[in-house]
Amino acid sequence: NAGVTQTPKFRILKIGQSMTLQCTQDMNHNYMYWYRQDPGMGLKLIYYSVGAGITDKGEVPNGYNVSRSTTEDFPLRLELAAPSQTSVYFCASSYPEQSSEQYFGPGTRLTVT
Amino acid sequence: ILNVEQSPQSLHVQEGDSTNFTCSFPSSNFYALHWYRWETAKSPEALFVMTLNGDEKKKGRISATLNTKEGYSYLYIKGSQPEDSATYLCASHYNQGGKLIFGQGTELSVKP
Repeated sequence: NAGVTQTPKFRILKIGQSMTLQCTQDMNHNYMYWYRQDPGMGLKLIYYSVGAGITDKGEVPNGYNVSRSTTEDFPLRLELAAPSQTSVYFCASSYPEQSSEQYFGPGTRLTVT
Repeated sequence: ILNVEQSPQSLHVQEGDSTNFTCSFPSSNFYALHWYRWETAKSPEALFVMTLNGDEKKKGRISATLNTKEGYSYLYIKGSQPEDSATYLCASHYNQGGKLIFGQGTELSVKP
């Protein structure tokens, strides 16, 4: 199993550009999540999905969009990138049981200048 | 707004020292408490998931306890080693939708 994979690993965007961060998992997990990591702030949930076709906002959804057309994929779209979106983005997945740990991808480091 | 607090924010110990950190969380509607270990330039990896009041879990030299009535969990590391250097995150789970609320982490540095 590859687990949770994310592409790209690094990206530099200009202000106002758009991009999609890709996330794929091969563990047949129902639940998938997008987090951003800001220094000294831990992880903040952007969006999550409990299954194909179902998504919901997390703590910091503004400026982002998601879709979940398959169980495996959960792309995160940034529209009109802003410097405040400079961060490291982690995708994660889990089984639906409340005691299930989350499995994290390797992260995407995004800089908006 | 649900807030998960971790203390201390950072900790510097010598090899061989034992140490512990605290995670505080709102106890109402609580479902589960997660601990993750996060090494620099890697992604977080789960250490423990605990659900019941009084739960204790152990993995090698690392153990954790849970008090759901008062809303806290302790993580203990016995005989710290340099490879234990990492950020330790706790997160609490409040509904069956799977959302975790993360604390800001405790950064542990173990000097040889």
